[in-house]
Amino acid sequence: GQNIDQPTEMTATEGAIVQINCTYQTSGFNGLFWYQQHAGEAPTFLSYNVLDGLEEKGRFSSFLSRSKGYSYLLLKELQMKDSASYLCAVRDSNYQLIWGAGTKLIIKP
Amino acid sequence: DAGITQSPRHKVTETGTPVTLRCHQTENHRYMYWYRQDPGHGLRLIHYSYGVKDTDKGEVSDGYSVSRSKTEDFLLTLESATSSQTSVYFCAISEGQSSYEQYFGPGTRLTVT
Repeated sequence: GQNIDQPTEMTATEGAIVQINCTYQTSGFNGLFWYQQHAGEAPTFLSYNVLDGLEEKGRFSSFLSRSKGYSYLLLKELQMKDSASYLCAVRDSNYQLIWGAGTKLIIKP
Repeated sequence: DAGITQSPRHKVTETGTPVTLRCHQTENHRYMYWYRQDPGHGLRLIHYSYGVKDTDKGEVSDGYSVSRSKTEDFLLTLESATSSQTSVYFCAISEGQSSYEQYFGPGTRLTVT
């Protein structure tokens, strides 16, 4: 079967750094996506990795290791508005997105 | 923001009644998707479309049908709603399959009593 694992919930402090991990087992791999979803809203695209390594985009970075079936999303200089769920998704061999259940990130002052 | 709207945004219906949800896009994207999102689960694909009148099943298609008669509209129908179909339904669009991210509509909260 196909499986995406992420922690259910994480807590961090405003101004700090947090790393959200994602491990996956899928039938094929055609890229990994991270989305942000605020409560009651739609998911919005954050990042895309298809090759191994780190992709940096402002305060957010995403890392991929295909050999380990592993990715992480790194959020720096945390702000209260970063309180949200972060969704990891893998595009499989049929080009369909397989989604993790999401990690709820709580930011404390 | 991608131009995607969903209607209705909220709906309460009774078990056994038919329900149709509408997704409308103004981006002229080829691919359209219907997902459901439930607590403790990731987004799950119900059906998707890769062109007018071209649709295919996703992971959780039982009890759902779709139609796409125009590029801009993708309809999701629950033929006879059940309580297990109480969920938040998201429509998404993308230009293509490889590398292109999906853009999501605002969602429809459906409650089946």
